[in-house]
Formats: sequence, structure tokens, C-alpha cells
Amino acid sequence: QKEVEQNSGPLSVPEGAIASLNCTYSDRVSQSFFWYRQYSGKSPELIMSIYSNGDKEDGRFTAQLNKASQYVSLLIRDSQPSDSATYLCAVRGGSYIPTFGRGTSLIVHP
Amino acid sequence: SAVISQKPSRDICQRGTSLTIQCQVDSQVTMMFWYRQQPGQSLTLIATANQGSEATYESGFVIDKFPISRPNLTFSTLTVSNMSPEDSSIYLCSVQRQGAYEQYFGPGTRLTVT
Repeated sequence: QKEVEQNSGPLSVPEGAIASLNCTYSDRVSQSFFWYRQYSGKSPELIMSIYSNGDKEDGRFTAQLNKASQYVSLLIRDSQPSDSATYLCAVRGGSYIPTFGRGTSLIVHP
Repeated sequence: SAVISQKPSRDICQRGTSLTIQCQVDSQVTMMFWYRQQPGQSLTLIATANQGSEATYESGFVIDKFPISRPNLTFSTLTVSNMSPEDSSIYLCSVQRQGAYEQYFGPGTRLTVT
């Protein structure tokens, strides 16, 4: 069974710090990896996708992928209170449908 | 990305009744999906809505309880039938374009069954 594991948190960081969110997955043939942000009462919003090993940067967000170790992470630099949300990791293997983790709650306090 | 709308945004329904949720996309998409998200939980895939054929249901979900239609490449409906309080949840439509792997979600329908 394909599994995607995330620490549920909450992860609490001060404003301006780097928030590091981690995700591990069980399916070795996984090919596509996604990070979604979900504000309370809202639907998930895609913020990053990554397909190959290494880092991918987009503004304050950096996704890191290590297929050998089967983990993917999301770094948020200069964290803001508006970044407070639940972050969902999603992993797609051979199927066209990704498997979602339970999400990590991030709290950025002023 | 895609602009996705869902109707209704929320509803309160009585036990034993049915509710149909609509999902409209601003452009043609290959794949449409229906998810459920219960409070504090992650996303659970209910089914893939197939255009012109029967939906593909995930384990634990059946057509009699969650009939799905997809008459064209921009529209789908999910019906929650014979509702019970356990069906109280947020129901989300998502789409995926041909040749792409990213999924985009609609705003969701918050259903409360009393």
C-alpha cells in the first residue's frame, strides 16, 4: 500500500524564520511530488511541484527531493503569519492519481 | 491552472435525503475527481469521473451511495444519497489536464447532515 507520511505538527516558527516541512513516501517508483497549502475552511492550493532530485525554488518556497531516501521537503523562507496553514504533501507513482499525506499544520507567530 | 466552481458551497440536509453537488471548470480537462475531507483529516478519493462512461470508484465507495455523472469535459456532479450524519464532510472536486500531473481543487462543498 502506498503511504505518504507527514508529521501532523503543529510546527511553530517565529516570523522571519525558515519553516521546514518534511514528507516521506513508501512507493519507490514515485515520479511526481506536490505540495499544497490549505487554509482553514478552504480547499487545497497547489504551491509547488517537483519531479527530479534536487532543489526547486519559487519565490520564498523551495522544494527538495531525494528519491534515494524517499523524502521530499518544503522550505519556506522569511516565514510570515499568512503562511500559517496546513501543508499537504502528495506523491504520484505509476497511477495518474496522487496519494496525499495527512498534512502538517504550520503556525507562524509574530 | 484552472478556474473551478462548485455548487452549493454549503448545505445542511436531513438524514435520508440526497444532495447533488455540481462542479464546473472553465475549460476542458481530461480528468475530474471527487474527494472527501473530514474535519482534521486528509483527502480521501471517492471516484474518478469519466466522461461518457461510468465513474471509477475507490475501495469503500459505491455507485448507489455516490452516483456521479460527467456529461462533458467541463462538468460533473456528485450525489450523496440517503445521507446520514457520517456523510457530514467537505466534498471537493479536482481536475487534471491531459499531459499534466498537477491537480487543482474547487472551493469545496461543506455538507452537514442532521
